[in-house]
Amino acid sequence: AQSVSQHNHHVILSEAASLELGCNYSYGGTVNLFWYVQYPGQHLQLLLKYFSGDPLVKGIKGFEAEFIKSKFSFNLRKPSVQWSDTAEYFCAVGNTGKLIFGQGTTLQVKP
Amino acid sequence: DVKVTQSSRYLVKRTGEKVFLECVQDMDHENMFWYRQDPGLGLRLIYFSYDVKMKEKGDIPEGYSVSREKKERFSLILESASTNQTSMYLCASSAPGQGAYEQYFGPGTRLTVT
Repeated sequence: AQSVSQHNHHVILSEAASLELGCNYSYGGTVNLFWYVQYPGQHLQLLLKYFSGDPLVKGIKGFEAEFIKSKFSFNLRKPSVQWSDTAEYFCAVGNTGKLIFGQGTTLQVKP
Repeated sequence: DVKVTQSSRYLVKRTGEKVFLECVQDMDHENMFWYRQDPGLGLRLIYFSYDVKMKEKGDIPEGYSVSREKKERFSLILESASTNQTSMYLCASSAPGQGAYEQYFGPGTRLTVT
């Protein structure tokens, strides 16, 4: 069965620090990859997506993610976090019209 | 503005009760999904539907059923609630094809079974 693993469960950073959240998936075929974010008190929403092409994808609010096929990874990055980035982040793999989510990473940014 | 609404934000039920969670979307989406969200486990798919009257089991369907009589409405039913079904329930909808993965989520229903 396909699975998605997020290594960091809780990350605490100071404002302006760089962010990298790990995501690995177990699926050898063509993958569709996503990061979703849930800000406090808000709905879960799509942050960025990868279907094919350039393995470096850019999303909203300055986030980007890199697909590394050889490592089965799709890590999320942001060069300089802000307090407003405090949220829970979910990596997901899409297959046959469904999403398989990772466990989630809670990011806390200290002002 | 696209919208997925869920009937209740908070719900408290007793063990053994039949529980209905309602979800309505106004985007004319074909696909609708029910997930449960638990700390440390992420989101797990309970049931989904690609069309009216159609339903498919997700990864954790045991103890749940669904109903989709109209395109915009997807109901999750707990036939006999148990304490291990205490959780946050999220509904989502999406367009068909590749758009299926860009899911729009509702605010969630936090269900407590006592």
